[in-house]
Amino acid sequence: DQQVKQNSPSLSVQEGRISILNCDYTNSMFDYFLWYKKYPAEGPTFLISISSIKDKNEDGRFTVFLNKSAKHLSLHIVPSQPGDSAVYFCAASEWNDKIIFGKGTRLHILP
Amino acid sequence: DTGVSQDPRHKITKRGQNVTFRCDPISEHNRLYWYRQTLGQGPEFLTYFQNEAQLEKSRLLSDRFSAERPKGSFSTLEIQRTEQGDSAMYLCASSLRESHYNEQFFGPGTRLTVL
Repeated sequence: DQQVKQNSPSLSVQEGRISILNCDYTNSMFDYFLWYKKYPAEGPTFLISISSIKDKNEDGRFTVFLNKSAKHLSLHIVPSQPGDSAVYFCAASEWNDKIIFGKGTRLHILP
Repeated sequence: DTGVSQDPRHKITKRGQNVTFRCDPISEHNRLYWYRQTLGQGPEFLTYFQNEAQLEKSRLLSDRFSAERPKGSFSTLEIQRTEQGDSAMYLCASSLRESHYNEQFFGPGTRLTVL
């Protein structure tokens, strides 16, 4: 039973364009949603998060949107840069509890 | 500012041997988590500590696995009688219980290969 789902294993985007990574969840008790970025041979790096009481959070080039009624969130990266090529994990947790991760989406930024 | 550190970074062992991994969290963080990641999957929760108390263990954590955080600072994860299925990346993360969004900060991981 996968509570956090990332249905796109990979995504290719032209440099300078918008990257949109999608995520669905099933547990309506989740309070926080997080995105992590992972390079090979490194641990996941925290990117951005959003509380369930908000529908948008922005940090520089990164914006996360939350649609609670659809149990869907997305990460927008604008503009996409070569260094953004990595695996992105969507994750969620109930208040201050363990984090449940999706399987990840590999983002390729094309020159 | 030092982040989360893990030792060793890589471990190759033979089936049936015991292995122990260490995690040093960010110094002011009171929560410490262990996760396991296998190929094509996201990190999966194993266990976590608040200070020295182990508060939750996943059903993934068989009785061959044990974790400690004796003084509420560093933690160790021991796997006894390793099996090939234990081959994975073992990740440690730390956080402040009082953090707003439950951000957990990860170490680089220990990659275990069981031959």
